[in-house]
Amino acid sequence: AQKITQTQPGMFVQEKEAVTLDCTYDTSDPSYGLFWYKQPSSGEMIFLIYQGSYDQQNATEGRYSLNFQKARKSANLVISASQLGDSAMYFCAMREDFGNEKLTFGTGTRLTIIP
Amino acid sequence: GAGVSQSPRYKVTKRGQDVALRCDPISGHVSLYWYRQALGQGPEFLTYFNYEAQQDKSGLPNDRFSAERPEGSISTLTIQRTEQRDSAMYRCASSLRAAEPQHFGDGTRLSIL
Repeated sequence: AQKITQTQPGMFVQEKEAVTLDCTYDTSDPSYGLFWYKQPSSGEMIFLIYQGSYDQQNATEGRYSLNFQKARKSANLVISASQLGDSAMYFCAMREDFGNEKLTFGTGTRLTIIP
Repeated sequence: GAGVSQSPRYKVTKRGQDVALRCDPISGHVSLYWYRQALGQGPEFLTYFNYEAQQDKSGLPNDRFSAERPEGSISTLTIQRTEQRDSAMYRCASSLRAAEPQHFGDGTRLSIL
C-alpha cells in the first residue's frame, strides 16, 4: 500500500481563490510527522509546513494551512488567496518516528494558477 | 552559506565511470539526508546521517552506491561503475536534528550516457 497518496495529478485554480491539495497517508506508527513541500519549475524543494501527529491544532504558516484529520488519515494543504507564484508542484511527505527519520513522499500535485 | 549547497549542479559522464556528489549542509545541522528524484516523481530516500554516523542506508539501491560524512559536516555520495539507470536528480537535505523539518539543496542532475 502507498504510504502517501496524492490523488490530484494536476489542478487549475483562478488567481485569488483558495485551493485545497489532497493528501492521505497510511501508517501504524502512533508518532509521525506530515510535511508539505513546494517545487517550482526552477527545481528547488521548498519546505512549507509541518504537522505533528500529536499536535492538537492544525498548523498554519502565512497563507498555508494544513487541514489535519487524524481519524481519516488526511493532511490536506490549503492555500488561501492564491497567487501566480503559487504555480508549482506540491509534494506531501510523511516521517514515521519509529525506525528512522526518512521522508516518504507522494507523487505530487501540479498546481497552475490562472490569471 | 544560508542553505544546503550541492555540487556540481550538473554532471554528465559516461557509463562505467565513478562519480562523487557533494553536499554541504546548513551550518549547525546535525542530520543529513540523501534522496534521489526521478522526473515527475517525489524524492526517494537513499541514506541519512546524524553527525558522522550513517544511521540508515536501506534506500541505497545496490553496493555501487555509498555515502560518507567523515567530520559530521560535508557529505559525499559516490556511485561506482555508473549505469544509465542511475540518471536522476540527487538531492541532499539537512535538519537541525532528527525529527525537525528537512531543508533541501537544489540538487545535482546526473546524466549517464
